[in-house]
Amino acid sequence: DTGVSQNPRHKITKRGQNVTFRCDPISEHNRLYWYRQTLGQGPEFLTYFQNEAQLEKSRLLSDRFSAERPKGSFSTLEIQRTEQGDSAMYLCASSLVRGPSYEQYFGPGTRLTVT
Amino acid sequence: DQQVKQNSPSLSVQEGRISILNCDYTNSMFDYFLWYKKYPAEGPTFLISISSIKDKNEDGRFTVFLNKSAKHLSLHIVPSQPGDSAVYFCAASGGSGGSYIPTFGRGTSLIVHP
Repeated sequence: DTGVSQNPRHKITKRGQNVTFRCDPISEHNRLYWYRQTLGQGPEFLTYFQNEAQLEKSRLLSDRFSAERPKGSFSTLEIQRTEQGDSAMYLCASSLVRGPSYEQYFGPGTRLTVT
Repeated sequence: DQQVKQNSPSLSVQEGRISILNCDYTNSMFDYFLWYKKYPAEGPTFLISISSIKDKNEDGRFTVFLNKSAKHLSLHIVPSQPGDSAVYFCAASGGSGGSYIPTFGRGTSLIVHP
């Protein structure tokens, strides 16, 4: 296992279209996180899963954003009816929770451009 | 309102010298702090962390210092190498329901000149 992978790496879409991104975490990790990063900012937390359960989704940016993690393995992040303001880097991370001391391992990200 | 602040957007140092990256936080519930390094076209990579029960943690050339009373932490890189040139993010988390979701600063771009 070489780490967290994300596909696609780049996505260009027209405003109003739906997009879906995939994240494959490190296999033994039980937590999976989605972040958004815009230029000049740090990663902004969106949602996370522990195994199959989505434990926090209040920080998703709007009801156009949704995430799934079927069977506790890979995860998808979908954005419906994309807007130009959705253009950003979408990062996925995974971790193995061992109490408060944990580190997240990030994927390379999917760069979304909405035209 | 930014709870984690990295007030220096960039830092330039000479190879072999010390790099000091600073981070301030406002939330007193934060009790675990991390530094990540990010190269272009890659995701952030974990570098070093510190729990609030400590005031220093060292890993090779990297040392993180935590001053809880000042709500300030710093990352020292000694000696700095050109390969250290990257964006460094400070992150902080607290035991809110046990989730430990980190809050990130905006990052400091470090350039190490040969």
